[in-house]
Amino acid sequence: DGGITQSPKYLFRKEGQNVTLSCEQNLNHDAMYWYRQDPGQGLRLIYYSQIVNDFQKGDIAEGYSVSREKKESFPLTVTSAQKNPTAFYLCASSWGGRLNQPQHFGDGTRLSIL
Amino acid sequence: QKEVEQDPGPLSVPEGAIVSLNCTYSNSAFQYFMWYRQYSRKGPELLMYTYSSGNKEDGRFTAQVDKSSKYISLFIRDSQPSDSATYLCAMVWDGSEKLVFGKGTKLTVNP
Repeated sequence: DGGITQSPKYLFRKEGQNVTLSCEQNLNHDAMYWYRQDPGQGLRLIYYSQIVNDFQKGDIAEGYSVSREKKESFPLTVTSAQKNPTAFYLCASSWGGRLNQPQHFGDGTRLSIL
Repeated sequence: QKEVEQDPGPLSVPEGAIVSLNCTYSNSAFQYFMWYRQYSRKGPELLMYTYSSGNKEDGRFTAQVDKSSKYISLFIRDSQPSDSATYLCAMVWDGSEKLVFGKGTKLTVNP
């Protein structure tokens, strides 16, 4: 079955620690995205990539980093510089690299502070 | 004024009711409109994708876009308990750098 796989489902971060969230897709989509979802705030764009080896900052990129070395994979690192990382993180992908295409989402990773 | 406004609810209806979910927006450049359904602890699932004004029907779901009023709606006919979820609207235009989401409306359909 084609889809987007995010792992782990739950993640705990200690103070001063970097953690990496995995996102893999087998939809052959060009574009991939990372969003953060907080209660009452909707989805906020962290980073997006329209093509391999290229990515752009979204609205809330500070404290996060990404890489796009393969078409299928777009990992997100939450660094120690992100002071309020507790949230639900969603990865999405879309066909063709154009932002007007519908985005398809994974089932998220819930990150909490220890 | 926020770019996209969506009443957070919660909205509670009896099974079989017709549900109307709505979003208003301020940017007349928006051209593509989407509705997503999100179950608790899951990612959003695309329900409807429409371009420009008009209606689109898919089973029990109808999406309606009124660009002159900057207003979009999602109608759910014969609502079922399995429709209980949060519904998110989203929109974008050619040349935009991002999809803009509403904050979601939480719907409960009571058996």
